Amino acid sequence: DTGVSQDPRHKITKRGQNVTFRCDPISEHNRLYWYRQTLGQGPEFLTYFQNEAQLEKSRLLSDRFSAERPKGSFSTLEIQRTEQGDSAMYLCASSLGTGELFFGEGSRLTVL
Amino acid sequence: AQSVTQLDSQVPVFEEAPVELRCNYSSSVSVYLFWYVQYPNQGLQLLLKYLSGSTLVESINGFEAEFNKSQTSFHLRKPSVHISDTAEYFCAVTSNPGDKVIFGPGTSLSVIP
Repeated sequence: DTGVSQDPRHKITKRGQNVTFRCDPISEHNRLYWYRQTLGQGPEFLTYFQNEAQLEKSRLLSDRFSAERPKGSFSTLEIQRTEQGDSAMYLCASSLGTGELFFGEGSRLTVL
Repeated sequence: AQSVTQLDSQVPVFEEAPVELRCNYSSSVSVYLFWYVQYPNQGLQLLLKYLSGSTLVESINGFEAEFNKSQTSFHLRKPSVHISDTAEYFCAVTSNPGDKVIFGPGTSLSVIP
């Protein structure tokens, strides 16, 4: 199967630690998106890439969050000095730019 | 800035009854509209989309949505729901296919046997 894959699926960390999530998009997709979803809410846009270029980053996103897509394929999302409010499901999606997003199953972060 | 409103957070409905899930959007530019569905313990997947052309769009499992520009709405309807339709439904909007997509808060549809 060549769907979007995310790793790890679950991460439990202590407040103040750094965490990194990885997303492998569908291979021919040039666009990659990161979203955050908390219980009972819709996905909240974080950032997106076209190939290796980061085109937009949410203004609501703290400087503790950074994302990369160094070779235009996989992407990483790093959260530095985690806080309890960072606990959420982090979703990755990819697309060909036609409007349809293909989502992975998400990486659940719990900050203790 | 674009935004999406889904006024109904939870919609319970009996099996084989009709359902409408409401979605309103705000945007100052052209819009492209989507409905995504999230079944229990699964990832989000596209249900249907409006990009251009006919304002009435349909999914393969009997849902339809109509783009109404004057009312800035994109309500989702199904004439007869099944137990398997129980899921979270998210309305979404973008100003350009390929750009960021803004999601609404979602509506939880529960189909009662």
